[in-house]
Amino acid sequence: QFHLVESGGGVVQPGRSLRLSCAASGFMFSSSGMHWVRQAPGKGLEWVAVTSEDGGNKYYGDSVKGRFTISRDNSKNTLFLQMNSLRPEDTAVYYCARDRGLDLVTTILDSWGQGTLVTVSS
Amino acid sequence: AIQMTQSPSSLSASVGDRVTITCRAGQDIRNALGWYQQRPGKAPKLLIYPASTLQSGVPSRFSGSGFGTDFTLTISSLQPEDFATYYCLQDYNYPRTFGQGTKVEFK
Repeated sequence: QFHLVESGGGVVQPGRSLRLSCAASGFMFSSSGMHWVRQAPGKGLEWVAVTSEDGGNKYYGDSVKGRFTISRDNSKNTLFLQMNSLRPEDTAVYYCARDRGLDLVTTILDSWGQGTLVTVSS
Repeated sequence: AIQMTQSPSSLSASVGDRVTITCRAGQDIRNALGWYQQRPGKAPKLLIYPASTLQSGVPSRFSGSGFGTDFTLTISSLQPEDFATYYCLQDYNYPRTFGQGTKVEFK
C-alpha cells in the first residue's frame, strides 16, 4: 500500500523560510513523479509544483514560482518543498501526492499524504 | 494558465438523487482532465482519469464525460458517503489547474 507522510509544517513569520518533507513508502519512489498541492483554510485545492522521477524536470504554479523549490532525494525516498519569502496567503495545508503517469506528461494523483499545515503569520 | 470553472459551487441533494457537476476549461484540453473527491478533513481521492475512465475501486455510480472544453461528473444515485467536495484538474499543460470545487451537501 502506498504511504506518504508530510512533515515540517508550523507557524512562520512573513518573509521567512520553511522546508517541508514527504516520506514515501510502499512503492518505487524513484520511478514516480511527485507533486505538492495545497489548500488554504476553507478553500479549494491549488496545484503547487511537480518534479520528475529523477528530479531533472520541475514545474511550478504561478503564485509560487521563484519562491518555492521542489526537490527529492531518491536514496531516502523523500520529497521536499523549500518555501522562501513566505506570505500570509501561503497559509495552507500542503499535500504531497504520487503521480501514476510517466515523464510528467499526464498527472494522475493516485496517492496522497495526510497533509501538513503551514501558517504564515506575525 | 488554463482556467477551470466548475458549476455549481455547491448543491443540496438527497440519497438516491442523480447529481451532475460541470467543469469548463478556458481552452481546448482534449480529454486531459481528472476528477477528485475530497471528504471533510481528508486528502483528495482520484475518481476518474482521463475524463471518462473510472479508476479501479471507484463505484460504478460515478461516471465522467466530455471532450474539449466541457466536462461532466455524474453520480447516478447519491449515497451517504458521496457527500463531499469534488474537483476537476486539467493536465493539458503546466501549470496544472484545479476547478474551484463543488460541494455536495445533504438536503
